[in-house]
Amino acid sequence: GENVEQHPSTLSVQEGDSAVIKCTYSDSASNYFPWYKQELGKRPQLIIDIRSNVGEKKDQRIAVTLNKTAKHFSLHITETQPEDSAVYFCAASRTGNQFYFGTGTSLTVIP
Amino acid sequence: GAGVSQSPSNKVTEKGKDVELRCDPISGHTALYWYRQSLGQGLEFLIYFQGNSAPDKSGLPSDRFSAERTGGSVSTLTIQRTQQEDSAVYLCASSLAGQGVTEQFFGPGTRLTVL
Repeated sequence: GENVEQHPSTLSVQEGDSAVIKCTYSDSASNYFPWYKQELGKRPQLIIDIRSNVGEKKDQRIAVTLNKTAKHFSLHITETQPEDSAVYFCAASRTGNQFYFGTGTSLTVIP
Repeated sequence: GAGVSQSPSNKVTEKGKDVELRCDPISGHTALYWYRQSLGQGLEFLIYFQGNSAPDKSGLPSDRFSAERTGGSVSTLTIQRTQQEDSAVYLCASSLAGQGVTEQFFGPGTRLTVL
């Protein structure tokens, strides 16, 4: 089965700086890679996703890059704000199969 | 439209009792997932339903755990003879699976406490 690894487990940045979270996956057939943000006591919510036919996707301050050859993908948050503080999860999936989640990154943005 | 709903939001039970957790997915979503999230931990996959196919039960931790999905909609996760280590938040998610993988929408979760 698929194995998704996520690093770092915790990340602290100063407000305004950038944050990068990295994930690797093992199943070359995986073709969908979402990122979820989970605030304390709340449900995970999708913030951005990328499919295997695309190398990069951007939505305002967040972007995701995918390297299919190396089987890794990354989340980039620029100009971080205190409200970005949360736990972020990456995941990998392929059509008709379950989602495999990373272990999460706790991001703290220091004002 | 309405999102994924789960009930109860909180459940406190005594060790050895059975519990049932309910998930109402978004109408029309053919895929339904159950996850377990222990305090400060990631999402542990439990079971996955896709349409009329046999469910993927590979994540269920023991035979005390079972799940059903009736009529392709509502799902119930049952934990028999609960143990203290079953204490966690149980999250349900649904997605519209068709030609390809699509976004999962999560419910608010059920916080289970086993005393």
